[in-house]
Amino acid sequence: GAGVSQSPSNKVTEKGKDVELRCDPISGHTALYWYRQSLGQGLEFLIYFQGNSAPDKSGLPSDRFSAERTGGSVSTLTIQRTQQEDSAVYLCASSFQGKETQYFGPGTRLLVL
Amino acid sequence: GEDVEQSLFLSVREGDSSVINCTYTDSSSTYLYWYKQEPGAGLQLLTYIFSNMDMKQDQRLTVLLNKKDKHLSLRIADTQTGDSAIYFCAESMSDDKIIFGKGTRLHILP
Repeated sequence: GAGVSQSPSNKVTEKGKDVELRCDPISGHTALYWYRQSLGQGLEFLIYFQGNSAPDKSGLPSDRFSAERTGGSVSTLTIQRTQQEDSAVYLCASSFQGKETQYFGPGTRLLVL
Repeated sequence: GEDVEQSLFLSVREGDSSVINCTYTDSSSTYLYWYKQEPGAGLQLLTYIFSNMDMKQDQRLTVLLNKKDKHLSLRIADTQTGDSAIYFCAESMSDDKIIFGKGTRLHILP
């Protein structure tokens, strides 16, 4: 079936506004991951869902970041009161049950002015 | 701590072999991965190896794993201009988290 999809592909926002990023995982994949890639940096783990629950939220950089997943499928990553340092590519990945290979979406490029 | 390390840059002449090296920290890692990221694109899984294997070959790609030294390498034979990209090494942790290196930018010289 289709791969992991993310929307929007690009987002430009003003400092202080809230943004919502969406991820549609591969059908049947129970595990879903959010990462962030800043310019010149490697991937930074943000949060991991197994089904609808998030056993590992340790990577969320501040309480302005939150994520939810409903119905064991679509996930949204919300950033409140965005700051310029939040500018990055936000990548979503999914895997079957969490121990197998992760498949990545194309990412959402967020620019905070 | 958790860390995957790889060199940031590699330049190789077209037609030569490229070898990208990586070291990791978790000896209990089950899977080790190589991902490729072309400019403006998302990550693409290139290949992966189970931790009980020493070598895996897939067409022009050869992955070597030295568990004793926690060293992983990716060899690309007959490097082409289309191989120009950033290559990420990654390990799976015992808690299912995946840790990525910062990526090696492969530059192909004519």
